[in-house]
Amino acid sequence: RKEVEQDPGPFNVPEGATVAFNCTYSNSASQSFFWYRQDCRKEPKLLMSVYSSGNEDGRFTAQLNRASQYISLLIRDSKLSDSATYLCVVNKPSGNTPLVFGKGTRLSVIA
Amino acid sequence: NAGVTQTPKFRILKIGQSMTLQCTQDMNHNYMYWYRQDPGMGLKLIYYSVGAGITDKGEVPNGYNVSRSTTEDFPLRLELAAPSQTSVYFCASSLPGPDLHGYTFGSGTRLTVV
Repeated sequence: RKEVEQDPGPFNVPEGATVAFNCTYSNSASQSFFWYRQDCRKEPKLLMSVYSSGNEDGRFTAQLNRASQYISLLIRDSKLSDSATYLCVVNKPSGNTPLVFGKGTRLSVIA
Repeated sequence: NAGVTQTPKFRILKIGQSMTLQCTQDMNHNYMYWYRQDPGMGLKLIYYSVGAGITDKGEVPNGYNVSRSTTEDFPLRLELAAPSQTSVYFCASSLPGPDLHGYTFGSGTRLTVV
């Protein structure tokens, strides 16, 4: 099983739609989770951390399900500017090892 | 506040040539990383460093070398460029405990080996 798995998409949705992405992770001891956004030909940028109780930032909601080892990202009222690739990121709970990045889910919001 | 700066932004190399990709950060981050990203693919870790004088291999270190003589700089060296090294290279940095803070990335270096 891969360390972090995401559906590559693309998800093509109309403006105003609600869309959700899931990501599964293999290490049950992982403690830190993030969603990053990467625009075409740009660097990844931190979108939001994912907390155990779930958290919201404007139109974005992140959830964690430890029992099933997945995290989700929900985007409400999609905007054209939300078109990007969304990367799921998980820590390796052993010393100073770097974070593990998923390959990303591509979202296209269509007018 | 510049963050993470990578130079050059673009480069074309011939097979067998060498070059150094520069990365510098002004946030006093101890941890620094080099990733490569091939078209349509995810990020692959090449090397990382948890402080000056300390470097460790990632999942794809072959064909690359790094050094970390200062906290600010983490250059990546390609000794004998091969077409398989055509990619976008991202440098990133973080505070200790990236688990809490995540990474800050540079804007990348697009390298083509012909």
